[in-house]
Amino acid sequence: GAGVSQSPSNKVTEKGKDVELRCDPISGHTALYWYRQSLGQGLEFLIYFQGNSAPDKSGLPSDRFSAERTGGSVSTLTIQRTQQEDSAVYLCASSSSGQGRETQYFGPGTRLLVL
Amino acid sequence: GDSVTQMEGPVTLSEEAFLTINCTYTATGYPSLFWYVQYPGEGLQLLLKATKADDKGSNKGFEATYRKETTSFHLEKGSVQVSDSAVYFCALSDTYSTLTFGKGTMLLVSP
Repeated sequence: GAGVSQSPSNKVTEKGKDVELRCDPISGHTALYWYRQSLGQGLEFLIYFQGNSAPDKSGLPSDRFSAERTGGSVSTLTIQRTQQEDSAVYLCASSSSGQGRETQYFGPGTRLLVL
Repeated sequence: GDSVTQMEGPVTLSEEAFLTINCTYTATGYPSLFWYVQYPGEGLQLLLKATKADDKGSNKGFEATYRKETTSFHLEKGSVQVSDSAVYFCALSDTYSTLTFGKGTMLLVSP
């Protein structure tokens, strides 16, 4: 596609439920990133996929968070047993090769509200 | 580790005023520097970038110069418009490819 797309744009869930957030990167981009934007913490890196390499999960805040990337394209971020502190905007980005210092292009985000 | 510090907002200006948003960074290597903008209800858009010392990034009337000696990348615009009202994020990317962001600066421009 022309840009990074994410779905859903908004998600309201109850505490304890699982949620899945989807990201479709720019066609041909081999690197994909997830970030979280929350009022108290600003923009935080969560996880990074580069080609067929093992993902860098160093930013995931707890083991309730996981992500996968199928076929080197679409990615799904899963949050299990959601908590109220998980409420945030989840942003996905992609870049052409994943090399350092490269421009990342962001999607519109998924706004998650945990009640 | 890497870090980015930018001035806290909100920055409130009248239309046609001069804008400066300060950004300084700490990095172990030679990072690329970026300014991203987030308009209300939207995702992050790349505004401009610079990849090495003394480079000037520019776009839509905004400019920022990569100053290695002062580890700074201040954003400037000579004459702001109401449509520039948004949150501006300074960021860096080093050899480690993820972005490190500042906390963001909200700009409010009144007619």
